[in-house]
Amino acid sequence: ETGVTQTPRHLVMGMTNKKSLKCEQHLGHNAMYWYKQSAKKPLELMFVYSLEERVENNSVPSRFSPECPNSSHLFLHLHTLQPEDSALYLCASTGQRNEKLFFGSGTQLSVL
Amino acid sequence: GQQVMQIPQYQHVQEGEDFTTYCNSSTTLSNIQWYKQRPGGHPVFLIQLVKSGEVKKQKRLTFQFGEAKKNSSLHITATQTTDVGTYFCAGPLYNQGGKLIFGQGTELSVKP
Repeated sequence: ETGVTQTPRHLVMGMTNKKSLKCEQHLGHNAMYWYKQSAKKPLELMFVYSLEERVENNSVPSRFSPECPNSSHLFLHLHTLQPEDSALYLCASTGQRNEKLFFGSGTQLSVL
Repeated sequence: GQQVMQIPQYQHVQEGEDFTTYCNSSTTLSNIQWYKQRPGGHPVFLIQLVKSGEVKKQKRLTFQFGEAKKNSSLHITATQTTDVGTYFCAGPLYNQGGKLIFGQGTELSVKP
């Protein structure tokens, strides 16, 4: 148990569906992240929220929409995804810059 | 852009053999972190190195940070089946609030 909880663990969705991934951290951290992990590729940083300020990776398609209602919760809203978006989506948190990341168990997403 | 490269991509060893993975950055890093991801799991923080030439040990694992702070290595002595997984190095993106960029990882398999 890392203190970072992600739900659901697995998700299968069609390209026309709308779904949301949820992340909750119980560590009192003030920064939360979404990473994408595809097979044979490095971890790709998607979004960062630090003290409720969003720093966005410009290469992330608009079909991915993050939401951070408070410092403990992070969502990733998914809409009209493509099969190539199938991947493991990892949430992470950290207390301060340059500190270690605490990862959740991830959501394994399959887009059909 | 800033890159972090890891070699080798895969390493298959017999149990008891040593293992080393190398990490090279295109820019000087303020620090470097190492993570381990077991098959089907999520990345777990192992260690952070900050000082030029720093060497840290964790049981059979030895971590080094290069003098120029652009490269690092992880060496495992006498591998065990519990060492199986993918080892990632990560360094902070320059002037981007400490966000980490990950290497592509080295996948270690250990044959009993």
